[in-house]
Amino acid sequence: KNQVEQSPQSLIILEGKNCTLQCNYTVSPFSNLRWYKQDTGRGPVSLTIMTFSENTKSNGRYTATLDADTKQSSLHITASQLSDSASYICVVSARGDGGSQGNLIFGKGTKLSVKP
Amino acid sequence: DVKVTQSSRYLVKRTGEKVFLECVQDMDHENMFWYRQDPGLGLRLIYFSYDVKMKEKGDIPEGYSVSREKKERFSLILESASTNQTSMYLCASRQRQETQYFGPGTRLLVL
Repeated sequence: KNQVEQSPQSLIILEGKNCTLQCNYTVSPFSNLRWYKQDTGRGPVSLTIMTFSENTKSNGRYTATLDADTKQSSLHITASQLSDSASYICVVSARGDGGSQGNLIFGKGTKLSVKP
Repeated sequence: DVKVTQSSRYLVKRTGEKVFLECVQDMDHENMFWYRQDPGLGLRLIYFSYDVKMKEKGDIPEGYSVSREKKERFSLILESASTNQTSMYLCASRQRQETQYFGPGTRLLVL
């Protein structure tokens, strides 16, 4: 069964510190993996997208890694800011039958709180 | 700039009422989606549409229907709202296998 598991469920860190969020998946055949940031009461916004051949991708202070062999991804946030407080959702796309849905499998998210 | 808009940010309805949630995208995307998001459950797909007048059931279609009469607009309908449909509803659109763009969400409370 295709699944995406995220850890931790929630995390509290102090402003200025770094943190790493984890995403493990059992999705096959794998197409790509996206990290989304969702502010409270808002819709998710895409941070990064990674395909099978990509190991690392950065977007400002956000760096995503992908290990396709172990089926793990991480999102590293450097020098956290109060505005990083949000839920971070890992979404894995399976190559399906070419249908428009593309077989998106959502993780339940990690809720990050950055405290001053 | 990419934009997905939803008709309401907050809605309060009574049990048994018919509820319409509307979503509009300005990117000429073929595919549109409706999700609900509940604490501890993440996003769950209700319905999606890959073309005008076409629709497919997602993981939790019971109690919902959809309408897509125009490419840019995708409506979610709760024929007879129930308290267990209290949730955050998110609309999204995308072109084929590209990134999904989400609307701001509608927080629905059914009393």
